[in-house]
Formats: sequence, structure tokens, C-alpha cells
Amino acid sequence: DSGVTQTPKHLITATGQRVTLRCSPRSGDLSVYWYQQSLDQGLQFLIQYYNGEERAKGNILERFSAQQFPDLHSELNLSSLELGDSALYFCASSVTFPGNTIYFGEGSWLTVV
Amino acid sequence: KNEVEQSPQNLTAQEGEFITINCSYSVGISALHWLQQHPGGGIVSLFMLSSGKKKHGRLIATINIQEKHSSLHITASHPRDSAVYICAVKAGGTSYGKLTFGQGTILTVHP
Repeated sequence: DSGVTQTPKHLITATGQRVTLRCSPRSGDLSVYWYQQSLDQGLQFLIQYYNGEERAKGNILERFSAQQFPDLHSELNLSSLELGDSALYFCASSVTFPGNTIYFGEGSWLTVV
Repeated sequence: KNEVEQSPQNLTAQEGEFITINCSYSVGISALHWLQQHPGGGIVSLFMLSSGKKKHGRLIATINIQEKHSSLHITASHPRDSAVYICAVKAGGTSYGKLTFGQGTILTVHP
């Protein structure tokens, strides 16, 4: 158990819908990262938050947004969903930035039908 | 060409064999991670390297910054080592959290 909790574990939704993925980092970890793993693109970095502020942005679509709340949990919002958004979405956390060990959650499986 | 290349893409071994997985990258980095992903999907961080060599149990990771190359070795492999091994690099400079991932190496160890 990494200590990073993601919900839901599985989600099936229709095209055009909006979903929210939730992540609770390890106790004391200030940095939260979101990654997407799809069959064709592999693992890709989406976005990082540190203590409530956005710190780095990767290949995140404009239809996607994220935030980190004062209690340090984070949410990834995916809207206007397309079939190609079907993927495993990972949240990870670390004390500060990478340079420290990163702890991954179990992932949220999103299927868009 | 991908910024992070792993080889081999697939690796099959017999229990007890010594295994090496290679990772080459084309950008300047400040850290390299080796990750393990089991069939259920969960990812575990095995090592974070910025120089030299690290060892944990039967796993050894090395990095050569000048050659932009890292290796993950598994000694006395076991069927429970069967997983996907992923190399990920953190580019140097101002990109705090952006990891770039290799495509992964699928390892299968037969008893």
C-alpha cells in the first residue's frame, strides 16, 4: 500500500460526459502528480500541484483540468469525454519535487463508451 | 525518436537467470526513476537515481550520466518479478515535475 488513495477505481461513462477523479496523497506529501496511461501513448505526465499551486504542466488537454485543495487532496476533471480518453489515470505524490521517491496510487480505470 | 528508449521491449527468462533492462535518454536529466508495474496496473517506484549505483535486495540500478544510459539488473530472477519495468526521466532545468517515460519492458520469468 503506497498510501496514495484514488477513487473511483473503475468508471464507465458515455462520450460527451464529465467525470471527476479524486486523489488523496500520502500523509505529509505536498506534491501531487497526475499521469495518463493509454495503450497507444503509454504513460504521460499531465500536471503537477505543489501545496495547492500548479507547478508543472504536461500533455494535458484543454478539456481536462485539475486542482489541489487546502487539505492537499486533488481532483482531475475530465470533460466532453471522447473514446480516446479511455485510459488508466494515476495520481502520485512525493514530499517535494521528483528528486524524492514518488508514490503511485492504484489508478482509476476510465472507459468511455 | 522518443526521448526515452528502453530495450528490450519484451524479455523472457527462466527462474534464476540474471536480467538486464536498458534505458537510454536523449535529454539532460536531473533524475531517473525505475518503476515496476504489475498486471493489476499498480505502479511501484523501485529506484530514483541521479548518479552511480543503487541496490535493493536482488535489484541493482546504475546510471551513466555522460553516456545518458541506465540499466536495471535483477539477480536470481523469480516468477514474481514478472511485470512491466518502466524507466522515467526528470529533465533538468525548470520543469519541476514533468517525467518522461519509456515504453516499458515486459518481463516474464518462467519457473
